[in-house]
Amino acid sequence: AQTVTQSQPEMSVQEAETVTLSCTYDTSENNYYLFWYKQPPSRQMILVIRQEAYKQQNATENRFSVNFQKAAKSFSLKISDSQLGDTAMYFCAFMNPSIYNQGGKLIFGQGTELSVKP
Amino acid sequence: GAGVSQSPSNKVTEKGKDVELRCDPISGHTALYWYRQRLGQGLEFLIYFQGNSAPDKSGLPSDRFSAERTGESVSTLTIQRTQQEDSAVYLCASSLAVGFHEQYFGPGTRLTVT
Repeated sequence: AQTVTQSQPEMSVQEAETVTLSCTYDTSENNYYLFWYKQPPSRQMILVIRQEAYKQQNATENRFSVNFQKAAKSFSLKISDSQLGDTAMYFCAFMNPSIYNQGGKLIFGQGTELSVKP
Repeated sequence: GAGVSQSPSNKVTEKGKDVELRCDPISGHTALYWYRQRLGQGLEFLIYFQGNSAPDKSGLPSDRFSAERTGESVSTLTIQRTQQEDSAVYLCASSLAVGFHEQYFGPGTRLTVT
């Protein structure tokens, strides 16, 4: 069974600084997808960034980028130029996209609560 | 366009009562997922629908939990004889199809069992 581990329950960063959130996962699959979701106090889950395992190039979305290390099964999220609006819970998630195997359900880590301080 | 909506936003119920939670997916989305989020925890998968068929019910915690979907539209999650451990936020997501398509989440229903 796949598992996702986020070892940092809480983190804080000063506004405009850079922060990295850690995520490791365990799977025997070769084709899969990894995601980072943001959940602000409103409870609305928002997709931040995603990475296909077959792509060696790390995904980037504006201030958000990932460091994907497939052999190490590591998938960290870097937030550059942190903003107050980045304050939220961040979840790492794994998906096996095969329709014959779990149908694309997301497996989530426990989350990291990020506080951006002015 | 409209996103995923869920109702009610909050529900307080007494132990032993039945509750129904509703999810309206984005129009045209054939796949629908239910997740549960206990306080301070990540989301755990409950069930997914492809159309109105539920191929994977493995995440349902007990036989008190059931779900159905009408066509490729609204879905209801029913919890019978609620227990205090059922207290959680129940989140629904929809996507264009099963597999690798972005899942769009609703705002969730916070269920409190007293």
